[in-house]
Amino acid sequence: RKEVEQDPGPFNVPEGATVAFNCTYSNSASQSFFWYRQDCRKEPKLLMSVYSSGNEDGRFTAQLNRASQYISLLIRDSKLSDSATYLCVVNINSGSARQLTFGSGTQLTVLP
Amino acid sequence: NAGVTQTPKFRVLKTGQSMTLLCAQDMNHEYMYWYRQDPGMGLRLIHYSVGEGTTAKGEVPDGYNVSRLKKQNFLLGLESAAPSQTSVYFCASSYGAGGHYNEQFFGPGTRLTVL
Repeated sequence: RKEVEQDPGPFNVPEGATVAFNCTYSNSASQSFFWYRQDCRKEPKLLMSVYSSGNEDGRFTAQLNRASQYISLLIRDSKLSDSATYLCVVNINSGSARQLTFGSGTQLTVLP
Repeated sequence: NAGVTQTPKFRVLKTGQSMTLLCAQDMNHEYMYWYRQDPGMGLRLIHYSVGEGTTAKGEVPDGYNVSRLKKQNFLLGLESAAPSQTSVYFCASSYGAGGHYNEQFFGPGTRLTVL
């Protein structure tokens, strides 16, 4: 079983739609959580951190469910510019330096 | 600020050749990382460094070596390239390694093909 699992998609949605991605993680000791965004043939960039109480940044809402070990990302009022791959990332303490474990990503295409 | 830069951007090698990928960051970050990204696999950590002069193995270190002689630079070496090392390589750096200070900033990537 992968440490971080995501539905690879692709998700094809019309502009203005609401879309949600889920991600599950296997290590219950995981301590911090993130969503990164990766545009085609570009590097990943941090979209938002995910806090225990849930957090919102404009059209984006992230939720964490520790009991069920999953993280979600909700995008409201989708824009063409939201088309990208969204990476679920988990911080698993590993020895003396904490490392990030990346999911393989969920591909989103927003259609005009 | 340039952030994280990588050279070269593209490279084609023959099996058995060697090469070094260079990563540089100008953010005074202590932590630096090398990842490889393959289709359907996500990013996998090759090696990382928690400060100048230190290195440590990640998830997939075999066939690679690294050095961190200067704080701002992190080198990834392939001594004898194999086709299985065909991948996109990303370097990243971060200020710290705890909690939400662990945001990693990535370079633009190096696309390596081994024939």
